[in-house]
Amino acid sequence: GESVGLHLPTLSVQEGDNSIINCAYSNSASDYFIWYKQESGKGPQFIIDIRSNMDKRQGQRVTVLLNKTVKHLSLQIAATQPGDSAVYFCAEIGSGGTASKLTFGTGTRLQVTL
Amino acid sequence: DTGVSQDPRHKITKRGQNVTFRCDPISEHNRLYWYRQTLGQGPEFLTYFQNEAQLEKSRLLSDRFSAERPKGSFSTLEIQRTEQGDSAMYLCASSWVGGSYGYTFGSGTRLTVV
Repeated sequence: GESVGLHLPTLSVQEGDNSIINCAYSNSASDYFIWYKQESGKGPQFIIDIRSNMDKRQGQRVTVLLNKTVKHLSLQIAATQPGDSAVYFCAEIGSGGTASKLTFGTGTRLQVTL
Repeated sequence: DTGVSQDPRHKITKRGQNVTFRCDPISEHNRLYWYRQTLGQGPEFLTYFQNEAQLEKSRLLSDRFSAERPKGSFSTLEIQRTEQGDSAMYLCASSWVGGSYGYTFGSGTRLTVV
């Protein structure tokens, strides 16, 4: 079946460095992608999204890149802070006007070291 | 707090017992979703409502599971004859159809079946 997956289960970065979290997706019909951050004991928190007709979108300290050719999504976090430590998920929504179900990957744990 | 509220936060139950969880979405949101998340995995879609209508159910939602949203506001998820495999975090999310797909998630109900 269609799935969204992540290359690295754990990423350790030093405070102040940039982080890059990668995600591969298999559904070429997906037209919307979202990155979520999940801290322990909490629900996923929306970070940034991107539509399939875009290849880059920037937010505050975060950038999402979409490469549809290789079905790859990445989340870049600039100047990583201890508060960024969490599990990050990419999720996708398939095409279709009524499609609203998110398909999540298994997550990447980001550990920020001092 | 005008976020998505879930109750209870934690539930421990004996195998075979019935449990019911409640979700109060953001008041302006007309879509409500239930997801299940096991340790180390991304959330998995269970079902969603638009107003009071249940529009889609996952195959994960066995006949022991039932969800309702009687007045198009809060929702309940009931699990009958619980099994150990039902132990998971049950997440609720809400969104406004026609707006961003970036749902708002609640903090979840953690179910432990012993």
